[in-house]
Amino acid sequence: GQNIDQPTEMTATEGAIVQINCTYQTSGFNGLFWYQQHAGEAPTFLSYNVLDGLEEKGRFSSFLSRSKGYSYLLLKELQMKDSASYLCAVRDMGYSTLTFGKGTMLLVSP
Amino acid sequence: EAGVTQFPSHSVIEKGQTVTLRCDPISGHDNLYWYRRVMGKEIKFLLHFVKESKQDESGMPNNRFLAERTGGTYSTLKVQPAELEDSGVYFCASSRDRGEAFFGQGTRLTVV
Repeated sequence: GQNIDQPTEMTATEGAIVQINCTYQTSGFNGLFWYQQHAGEAPTFLSYNVLDGLEEKGRFSSFLSRSKGYSYLLLKELQMKDSASYLCAVRDMGYSTLTFGKGTMLLVSP
Repeated sequence: EAGVTQFPSHSVIEKGQTVTLRCDPISGHDNLYWYRRVMGKEIKFLLHFVKESKQDESGMPNNRFLAERTGGTYSTLKVQPAELEDSGVYFCASSRDRGEAFFGQGTRLTVV
């Protein structure tokens, strides 16, 4: 089985940098995904890591350490529209299912 | 390109009734997934179709839930009879090959 932990809530100021951590304990691993979800909307794909290291995509970066079972999502130059829930999800070895954490609600204030 | 669409967006039914949720995946995506989020909990996997075949249905809670994907295009998820604990948001997602999954906006089901 999989167990995924991430903070429930975080707050940050517009223009700042925030790091959302995710730790996982899994019986199998074939990639870690980050999704963003605004209230009432579909989760939208942000990033995917399968090898150790940092993946950068614009203002968003994601890091993975497989030996530590650890990932983080880094958001730079925060904007008000970044207020949302951020979901960490691990894919199993069968390339099939995603196991999600409960999500981190990020509130960006002026 | 149209995204994953789900219908209805909201459904309120009485305990014991039947509800059918529909998902239209992105065209050309052979993989279709159903997930559910019960209030206060994480999104949980229900099942996975590859074309019209059920690849993995280990997450289906019980036999009151029936998913179909006839013809390998859209999928339906029927709950019969619905119970109070079935309330939640039901998400559908689709993917091409083993790539990232694209999610629909979900169907919010309330059983009263």
